[in-house]
Amino acid sequence: DADVTQTPRNRITKTGKRIMLECSQTKGHDRMYWYRQDPGLGLRLIYYSFDVKDINKGEISDGYSVSRQAQAKFSLSLESAIPNQTALYFCATSDSDRELFFGEGSRLTVL
Amino acid sequence: AQSVTQLDSQVPVFEEAPVELRCNYSSSVSVYLFWYVQYPNQGLQLLLKYLSGSTLVKGINGFEAEFNKSQTSFHLRKPSVHISDTAEYFCAVNLYSSASKIIFGSGTRLSIRP
Repeated sequence: DADVTQTPRNRITKTGKRIMLECSQTKGHDRMYWYRQDPGLGLRLIYYSFDVKDINKGEISDGYSVSRQAQAKFSLSLESAIPNQTALYFCATSDSDRELFFGEGSRLTVL
Repeated sequence: AQSVTQLDSQVPVFEEAPVELRCNYSSSVSVYLFWYVQYPNQGLQLLLKYLSGSTLVKGINGFEAEFNKSQTSFHLRKPSVHISDTAEYFCAVNLYSSASKIIFGSGTRLSIRP
């Protein structure tokens, strides 16, 4: 089983719908992250959390929210999806050396 | 402000040829430096990292990178590539002081021709 698991792996939805992407990890790391990947733009940080009570905005948090339900779980929500949120989303965890461990990604298409 | 530049969006090379993927960064403070690789339809995985010490860093799959502080560069090299190296490669920078400030470059797609 993967150390960092994302669900769903693929999702197609319509404009205005609420979407939740879930992430769970078995690495025991305190730090968790949500990134968005767009062609030619690399990865951009949406939100990050250093522990259950600590949530921080990244560089592109508008239109997104997160919930850290437990040390092992970190969910990303799009309250009202729009087409320019079509992207590949990655969850990641980190240890003290700052190395990131990524999930396999969730591909979201907003029509 | 901190930023990472990968000048080459695509690099085509022949199998068994050497390759260099370029990465330059800008930061006013000391940084950690990373290269990640993304194989098709997969997440990213760490290829190598520079935290301190020797400026020549060796990673998995025969890759290495050299930290050059004066040129603010961290170029990735491999002396002989294989078809299996076909992937997208991302350079990333992280400030010493905050793990949250992990900035990624835009990526370089490496395609290997037989």
